[in-house]
Amino acid sequence: DTGVSQDPRHKITKRGQNVTFRCDPISEHNRLYWYRQTLGQGPEFLTYFQNEAQLEKSRLLSDRFSAERPKGSFSTLEIQRTEQGDSAMYLCASSQGLGVYPEAFFGQGTRLTVV
Amino acid sequence: QKEVEQDPGPLSVPEGAIVSLNCTYSNSAFQYFMWYRQYSRKGPELLMYTYSSGNKEDGRFTAQVDKSSKYISLFIRDSQPSDSATYLCAMTGQGAQKLVFGQGTRLTINP
Repeated sequence: DTGVSQDPRHKITKRGQNVTFRCDPISEHNRLYWYRQTLGQGPEFLTYFQNEAQLEKSRLLSDRFSAERPKGSFSTLEIQRTEQGDSAMYLCASSQGLGVYPEAFFGQGTRLTVV
Repeated sequence: QKEVEQDPGPLSVPEGAIVSLNCTYSNSAFQYFMWYRQYSRKGPELLMYTYSSGNKEDGRFTAQVDKSSKYISLFIRDSQPSDSATYLCAMTGQGAQKLVFGQGTRLTINP
């Protein structure tokens, strides 16, 4: 396992369409995070999972966004009825949780462009 | 006011210079402090992390945390053109849940 894997790397979609992104974390990591990064800004937290449980969601995560992590393995992030403001880099990270190992390792991201 | 403040730069220095990058923060609950490097259109890459106050050195990189001042720094010695990237500071509290990032400082090392 060489790291966090995200698919697709790039996605162009028309406004109003639904999109889904996938993240495969580092295999022994029990925590998985989604962040959103816009140009010139640092990543902003969206949500995180410990195993299969979604433990926290940011106010940034509107009702159009849903994330799942079935069986505590890979995760998906779906955006329904996309808007131009959703254009950003969506980053997934994983860590071996509970505070002893706080390092989060990021994937290469999915760059979403809504036209 | 943002929880973590970081000067976005850009910062341009000659090769071989010592680079100092800094962040300030307002949340006294932060216990873990990280530095990430991000190349253009790539994901952030963890450089190093520090727990609570103190210094940590890793090769040409030194991280410092001053919790009394809520100020963290990253020093890069003998800077190389390959160090040109955006440097992000990030922090989290006990329990290591979500990271709070600074805006990132764009650094260019000129040959």
